[in-house]
Amino acid sequence: AQSVTQPDIHITVSEGASLELRCNYSYGATPYLFWYVQSPGQGLQLLLKYFSGDTLVQGIKGFEAEFKRSQSSFNLRKPSVHWSDAAEYFCATSGTYKYIFGTGTRLKVLA
Amino acid sequence: GAVVSQHPSWVICKSGTSVKIECRSLDFQATTMFWYRQFPKQSLMLMATSNEGSKATYEQGVEKDKFLINHASLTLSTLTVTSAHPEDSSFYICSARTPDNSPLHFGNGTRLTVT
Repeated sequence: AQSVTQPDIHITVSEGASLELRCNYSYGATPYLFWYVQSPGQGLQLLLKYFSGDTLVQGIKGFEAEFKRSQSSFNLRKPSVHWSDAAEYFCATSGTYKYIFGTGTRLKVLA
Repeated sequence: GAVVSQHPSWVICKSGTSVKIECRSLDFQATTMFWYRQFPKQSLMLMATSNEGSKATYEQGVEKDKFLINHASLTLSTLTVTSAHPEDSSFYICSARTPDNSPLHFGNGTRLTVT
C-alpha cells in the first residue's frame, strides 16, 4: 500500500538559514509526489510536484525538491528561509485518484 | 490557476443541528471533488470522494448518513454535517482536480465548532 512518512514533526531554523524537510514514500511504481504548505486556518497550497523526468523539481516561493528513487525520498529544500515560510508542510503521493498525505512538519522560523 | 472556493470559512452551530459546507470550483469543471477532515495539528484524513451526478464514495469508518455529500453540478459539491455533535468539531477542507488530472487544488477550509 502507498504511504508517506515525514519523520520530523517540528523543525526550527533561523531566518536566512537553509532548510530541508524530509519525506519518504512507499510505492511499487514511480509515484506522483507533491509538497503542499498550509498556513494556520487555511487550506493547502501546492509548492511543487513530481510526475516523471528531471528528478530535481523547482517550485514556487524558492522551494525545490529532489526525487531519489534509491532512497525512496522526496525531500524539500530552500537555500534561505524567510520568516513568512513558517507554516505546516505536507508531503503527499497519489495513485489513481486518492492522495495520501504525510503527517506534516511544522516549521518555525526564528528572527 | 485553478481556484477552489469553500464557504463558510467558519461556522458555529448548536448540537443537534445540521450544517452545510459548500465547495466550488471557480474557473474549471471538477467531475471529482474530495472532502477531508483535519484534526488540530494532524494530517488530512480523506472522508469521501464526491462524483458529479453519482453517489459519493466514502472512506472506511466515515458515516454516510452523518456526512451527506451532494455533487449536483460540475462546479459545486456540498457536505452536510447532520445532527452535529461536539465531536464533529473540526477543520473540513475540500479539494478538486482539473480535468487533466493535475494536482489537487484546495479550498481554504471550514472551521466547524459544535457547541
